Amino acid sequence: NAGVTQTPKFQVLKTGQSMTLQCAQDMNHEYMSWYRQDPGMGLRLIHYSVGAGITDQGEVPNGYNVSRSTTEDFPLRLLSAAPSQTSVYFCASSYSPGVLALHFGNGTRLTVT
Amino acid sequence: SQQGEEDPQALSIQEGENATMNCSYKTSINNLQWYRQNSGRGLVHLILIRSNEREKHSGRLRVTLDTSKKSSSLLITASRAADTASYFCATGGQGAQKLVFGQGTRLTINP
Repeated sequence: NAGVTQTPKFQVLKTGQSMTLQCAQDMNHEYMSWYRQDPGMGLRLIHYSVGAGITDQGEVPNGYNVSRSTTEDFPLRLLSAAPSQTSVYFCASSYSPGVLALHFGNGTRLTVT
Repeated sequence: SQQGEEDPQALSIQEGENATMNCSYKTSINNLQWYRQNSGRGLVHLILIRSNEREKHSGRLRVTLDTSKKSSSLLITASRAADTASYFCATGGQGAQKLVFGQGTRLTINP
């Protein structure tokens, strides 16, 4: 039981490049979400999903896309990376759409130059 | 926008002392949760308190909730060096599918 797995752990991109941050969970959780963590800003919700085929926007969705084709996977796509997207990204899941007790991955540290 | 605001932003105490962190929020909630984050790691869920509860315990942790003041506190008793971490409160509204985090309290336990 690996919990929530995020890959890669570190990534450096140039402005304008695109990439996908991977997130997988093996707990059969219906709810999955992406947060970004910036110094002094806490965690901010980017996108979330309450089940396969269902996604919705969080607080800071611009510049990011998500899809949920399976219960296990919830990839986050950066369409055209910008320096403002330099951050640590966390994927989290919960058994309940009421968002009780999120399980977090260990994060992806992204730098955009 | 942040719902929860933790106070203090940073706290440094001696091992064995008690640590108290506070969280204030703005709108009505269904539940309030506390998480711990060790350096370089993801957050770990500690405890959840529902809006109809006033106090909850888990091991050395005690959480209180005052919905009239829109505030919560997390007490860690008999602190240990391993408790050094950042602590975040997060609020969930009625039927909400979004959990909103505060900016966290950085706790340092000195040996």
